[in-house]
Amino acid sequence: GENVEQHPSTLSVQEGDSAVIKCTYSDSASNYFPWYKQELGKRPQLIIDIRSNVGEKKDQRIAVTLNKTAKHFSLHITETQPEDSAVYFCAASLDRGSQGNLIFGKGTKLSVKP
Amino acid sequence: KAGVTQTPRYLIKTRGQQVTLSCSPISGHRSVSWYQQTPGQGLQFLFEYFSETQRNKGNFPGRFSGRQFSNSRSEMNVSTLELGDSALYLCASSPRPSGELFFGEGSRLTVL
Repeated sequence: GENVEQHPSTLSVQEGDSAVIKCTYSDSASNYFPWYKQELGKRPQLIIDIRSNVGEKKDQRIAVTLNKTAKHFSLHITETQPEDSAVYFCAASLDRGSQGNLIFGKGTKLSVKP
Repeated sequence: KAGVTQTPRYLIKTRGQQVTLSCSPISGHRSVSWYQQTPGQGLQFLFEYFSETQRNKGNFPGRFSGRQFSNSRSEMNVSTLELGDSALYLCASSPRPSGELFFGEGSRLTVL
């Protein structure tokens, strides 16, 4: 089955700096890669996702890149702000419409220092 | 539109007991997934249901089971509880299988 590795497990940056979180997946057939943000004591929420037919996707200060050959994808946050502090989870799934489930990485705790 | 509702939010059980957790998905969502969240292990997939059928199951022992009703509400059951079952159990619904997950606030289970 699918296995997702996520690095680093913790990341501390100064406000205004960029943050990068990297994930690798094992199943080359996986074709859907979402990122979820979980603030302390709250539920995980989708912040951005990418499908295997796209190499990069941006949404304001957040971007995700996908390298299918190397089987890895990354989350990039620019101009970090204290409210970006949270645990971020990457995930991968094989979306065939009638099969598939999201397999998550173990998370990255991002701390943005003012 | 109401979000995903999980009950109970908190519960304490002792080893050997069983527990049933309930999840009401967002109206119109027919896919429900369950995850176990523990510190250091992230979100581990338990199972996914769609139209009352279990479509996928994670790598958990048979003590973990679930079901989905015709109104898309779902329950999961853990029998013969062990200390290691202490965790936050998250339910998520989706408008379609393998679509965006909308999580509930979770049921925090403590096994003593």
